[in-house]
Amino acid sequence: EPEVTQTPSHQVTQMGQEVILRCVPISNHLYFYWYRQILGQKVEFLVSFYNNEISEKSEIFDDQFSVERPDGSNFTLKIRSTKLEDSAMYFCASKPWTGFNQPQHFGDGTRLSIL
Amino acid sequence: DAKTTQPNSMESNEEEPVHLPCNHSTISGTDYIHWYRQLPSQGPEYVIHGLTSNVNNRMASLAIAEDRKSSTLILHRATLRDAAVYYCILRDVGNQGGKLIFGQGTELSVKP
Repeated sequence: EPEVTQTPSHQVTQMGQEVILRCVPISNHLYFYWYRQILGQKVEFLVSFYNNEISEKSEIFDDQFSVERPDGSNFTLKIRSTKLEDSAMYFCASKPWTGFNQPQHFGDGTRLSIL
Repeated sequence: DAKTTQPNSMESNEEEPVHLPCNHSTISGTDYIHWYRQLPSQGPEYVIHGLTSNVNNRMASLAIAEDRKSSTLILHRATLRDAAVYYCILRDVGNQGGKLIFGQGTELSVKP
C-alpha cells in the first residue's frame, strides 16, 4: 500500500537556524497537510495546501513558516528561524481528492529538536 | 468543527471486544463522525467514518446513536497491536479543506 514518507526521522538544529522538513505524499493525492505534536500534547493542524497554494493555515503557522511543493513529488515545511518551542513531531499528510470524507494518510513524522 | 468528549484512557484484554465511546452533543446535521488512531511513535491512521447509519470495515465498526449525539467505535477482538490513542473527530461537509481537529483522544491499553 502506498505510504507518505518523511525525512529525516529526527532533526536536531540550533535555535535560530533554518530547517526544512521533507515529505513525499502519495503520488495521486491532491491535498497536502502539515501537523505538529508537541511531546505529551494534542496533534495540531498547521497548514493545508491544494493546487499549489495554501488553502488554510492555523494561528501557529506564522511568518516563520512556509510550505512549498518544489516538484511533482515533494512537499516541504520550512521554519526560517527556529525557536525552542518549535521542538515537536511534525507530521505530513495527504488526501486523494477534495471529497471531504476521503481519509488523510499520515507519515510517521519528523522529530524536530531545537537546542 | 464541533467538540467531542472521550474518556482519557481505557483498558482491554487481548481478544476481547472493546467499545470506545465518544460524546458529541452539539453535532450538526452536516457533521460526519471520523475516527483515527495513533499507534506509539507513528502518525495518525484513519479507522472509519459515518454519518447516521452504523458502519463496518476491516478494522472496526462504528455504532452511531439515533440522535447522533454519541457514537461508539467497536474493535471486535482487541490485539496488542490495537494499543493506541483513538480520536473521535467531527468533520463538517463544508470543510472541503479537510483539516482535522484532534482532541486528547482515548488511550487504549491492551493486556495479554
